[in-house]
Amino acid sequence: GQNIDQPTEMTATEGAIVQINCTYQTSGFNGLFWYQQHAGEAPTFLSYNVLDGLEEKGRFSSFLSRSKGYSYLLLKELQMKDSASYLCAVLDSNYQLIWGAGTKLIIKP
Amino acid sequence: DAMVIQNPRYQVTQFGKPVTLSCSQTLNHNVMYWYQQKSSQAPKLLFHYYDKDFNNEADTPDNFQSRRPNTSFCFLDIRSPGLGDAAMYLCATSGSTGDNSPLHFGNGTRLTVT
Repeated sequence: GQNIDQPTEMTATEGAIVQINCTYQTSGFNGLFWYQQHAGEAPTFLSYNVLDGLEEKGRFSSFLSRSKGYSYLLLKELQMKDSASYLCAVLDSNYQLIWGAGTKLIIKP
Repeated sequence: DAMVIQNPRYQVTQFGKPVTLSCSQTLNHNVMYWYQQKSSQAPKLLFHYYDKDFNNEADTPDNFQSRRPNTSFCFLDIRSPGLGDAAMYLCATSGSTGDNSPLHFGNGTRLTVT
C-alpha cells in the first residue's frame, strides 16, 4: 500500500528553527508537496520538490531525498503565526496525490 | 483576485436530510476536486472532474454525489447525511491532472450533522 508518515505534533519556540520530517512509500514518484493548514482553514501551497536537494523560499525550505523516500520542511525564525498543521503529499506514478495526516506545529513564546 | 470560493462556510444539517455544498472558481481551471477532511486526518479525495468528465474514487460512498454544470461551479450533494459525515469539505482546483500543478483550495465548508 501507499503510505506517508509524519510526526503527529511538534512544539517549538518563537524565533527558533524546526524541522518537520516526512517519509513516504508510494507506487512511483512524481514530486512531493508541502502545504500549510491553519486550524479550520484550507491547506495553502508551500513548496514542491521533484529533484533531490534543498529548495529555499524565504524562511521556509524543503528538502528531498528520493533514494531514502524522505523529505523535510525547515522553518526558520519561527513566528506565532506559523502555528498550523503541515501536510506532506506525494504524487504517485498515476499523478494521484497521496496525503499525510499532517504535523501540528505548536509555537510557544 | 482569482480564487476558489466555498459556500457556506459552516453548514448544519439534520441526520438524513439532504444537503448541498457549493464551490465556485475564477481561476478557469479544468479540474475541480472534492475532499473530505476529518480532524487531524489527511484530506480524503471523494471525486474530481476534468472538465465534464467525472471521476469517482472507488471507496466514495454512494451517498455522495457531485454536479459540475459549468467550468466555474461544482456541487457536492450528500443525499442522506449520517453522523459520520460530519467533517470539513474542501473544494480544490488545478490546471490539469497528470502533472505537478499544485492544488488551490477554497476555505472549506464545515458540516455538522445533528
